Amino acid sequence: AQTVTQSQPEMSVQEAETVTLSCTYDTSESNYYLFWYKQPPSRQMILVIRQEAYKQQNATENRFSVNFQKAAKSFSLKISDSQLGDTAMYFCAFMLEKETSGSRLTFGEGTQLTVNP
Amino acid sequence: KAGVTQTPRYLIKTRGQQVTLSCSPISGHRSVSWYQQTPGQGLQFLFEYFSETQRNKGNFPGRFSGRQFSNSRSEMNVSTLELGDSALYLCASSSGPGLAFEQYFGPGTRLTVT
Repeated sequence: AQTVTQSQPEMSVQEAETVTLSCTYDTSESNYYLFWYKQPPSRQMILVIRQEAYKQQNATENRFSVNFQKAAKSFSLKISDSQLGDTAMYFCAFMLEKETSGSRLTFGEGTQLTVNP
Repeated sequence: KAGVTQTPRYLIKTRGQQVTLSCSPISGHRSVSWYQQTPGQGLQFLFEYFSETQRNKGNFPGRFSGRQFSNSRSEMNVSTLELGDSALYLCASSSGPGLAFEQYFGPGTRLTVT
């Protein structure tokens, strides 16, 4: 079974600064995908960024980038130039690349990020 | 394109009753997954349907069931409600199963069991 761990329940950052959220996972599989989802107070889950495990290059999406360390099973999210609208719960998630697994996501516990003005 | 819709948005039920939640995926999407979110257990996968067939099931008791209709709309049913079933129930839709098809989440249904 796959597990995802986020060891930081809460984090805060000043507006315009940079913050890094940590995530580790455990799997015996080789082919999988990793995601960061954002859940603002509205509870709407929004995909922030995704990483294919077979890709060595770290994914980036505007102000969001990841540091993917496959051997260490680590997948951190860096948010640059933090904005007030980034305040949300952030979830790290894992999906196996396997026919029988379909679209099943395994989520971490979440990190509540607060961006302060 | 309209997003994933879930009805009702809020629901209050009494222990022992049953409840049915509905999820309408984005037009053209054929895969629907359901998740339960609680403060204690976090986000947990319930099941996934694709083309009216259950493809995958999480570790939940048989009181939790679902189905998908030919128009891809999905329902989940919880029978004999327990206090611990109080949660936010999220559904997500995608064009097909697997990563190649990005999942889009609905706003959720907040179920309170008293």
